Amino acid sequence: EPEVTQTPSHQVTQMGQEVILRCVPISNHLYFYWYRQILGQKVEFLVSFYNNEISEKSEIFDDQFSVERPDGSNFTLKIRSTKLEDSAMYFCASSTQGYGYTFGSGTRLTVV
Amino acid sequence: AQTVTQSQPEMSVQEAETVTLSCTYDTSESDYYLFWYKQPPSRQMILVIRQEAYKQQNATENRFSVNFQKAAKSFSLKISDSQLGDAAMYFCAYRSLNQGGKLIFGQGTELSVKP
Repeated sequence: EPEVTQTPSHQVTQMGQEVILRCVPISNHLYFYWYRQILGQKVEFLVSFYNNEISEKSEIFDDQFSVERPDGSNFTLKIRSTKLEDSAMYFCASSTQGYGYTFGSGTRLTVV
Repeated sequence: AQTVTQSQPEMSVQEAETVTLSCTYDTSESDYYLFWYKQPPSRQMILVIRQEAYKQQNATENRFSVNFQKAAKSFSLKISDSQLGDAAMYFCAYRSLNQGGKLIFGQGTELSVKP
């Protein structure tokens, strides 16, 4: 069964550093997403991406965040200057035109 | 804006028994999708079951079934013959029918299964 692949599984970074979280969505999916889950809390939508541009973003997705699909297969989330409160599990997901929605296994980001 | 509410932070069930997790939602849309996701300690998000709002028939996947009450905006998950492996956090989620619609999650219900 096709999978969404995320790397790394765990990243530790110093506050103020830039991080890039990587995702390889399912190849025939058209919509790509990033979600965030702070430990013990609910899963929150960050951004959706379609046709090489952002289609929707949440209030959380401020100027510190950016996404891109640099080579037609990878889908990345960049956090420009990390803060302690960015520590969370970050999930990538992709979907078809229907409601098929597949999550990756997540990247645990720890900001110290 | 749509909201999803899970009013049970924790639930417990005896192995082989049946448990029902509650979920309510609010929307002004007439058509949409609803989902239950399971998140085990590994924290991966695993799709358990999904329901299209235009379908009156409740979805069923093996031991998992839903009770979808559209007028009441209620979407509960029933787990029959509970197994130790069912222990996890369960999230209810809503998705608009719009192409590429985001998922809106509830707060989650932590299910424990007692042997």
